Amino acid sequence: DGGITQSPKYLFRKEGQNVTLSCEQNLNHDAMYWYRQDPGQGLRLIYYSQIVNDFQKGDIAEGYSVSREKKESFPLTVTSAQKNPTAFYLCASSIDSQGLNTEAFFGQGTRLTVV
Amino acid sequence: KQEVTQIPAALSVPEGENLVLNCSFTDSAIYNLQWFRQDPGKGLTSLLLIQSSQREQTSGRLNASLDKSSGRSTLYIAASQPGDSATYLCAVTGSQGNLIFGKGTKLSVKP
Repeated sequence: DGGITQSPKYLFRKEGQNVTLSCEQNLNHDAMYWYRQDPGQGLRLIYYSQIVNDFQKGDIAEGYSVSREKKESFPLTVTSAQKNPTAFYLCASSIDSQGLNTEAFFGQGTRLTVV
Repeated sequence: KQEVTQIPAALSVPEGENLVLNCSFTDSAIYNLQWFRQDPGKGLTSLLLIQSSQREQTSGRLNASLDKSSGRSTLYIAASQPGDSATYLCAVTGSQGNLIFGKGTKLSVKP
């Protein structure tokens, strides 16, 4: 089955720790995105990548980092610099980022909690 | 800066009713508009995609319309069922392919 797989489903982070959220897709999509969802605030864009080895900051990139070494994978690291990391994180992909091929497909999300 | 607004924030209807969810956006320069469904604690499921050149799309009991000039979209759900209970999100595609979301409408369909 083609789709987007996020892991883990639940993640707990101690104060001062870096944690990495996994996102893998087998849809052969060029573009990948990370969003953060908080209650009452909707989804906000953290980072996006239009092609391998290239990525750009979204609206709330501070305290996060990403890499795009393979087309299929776009991991997100939540660093200790992110002061309020508790949220639901969603990864998405689309065929590309321009024109008619921007229909987005989402993974099932990772819920990160600071303990 | 593009802003997306969804009204109402919550809606409760009896089973069988037809209903309309509203979405408005401030900048008409969009590639497309997508409607999503989200169940509690889950990811987003794409329901309908309307390209900027289109006026509407239909899938089963769902019909979405787009009026770019007025910055509005509606999602019409016919003959609602308890299984339709979820949060419905509207999003427009920006110039980098990223989605700009509204805050959603939480729908509850009572048996």
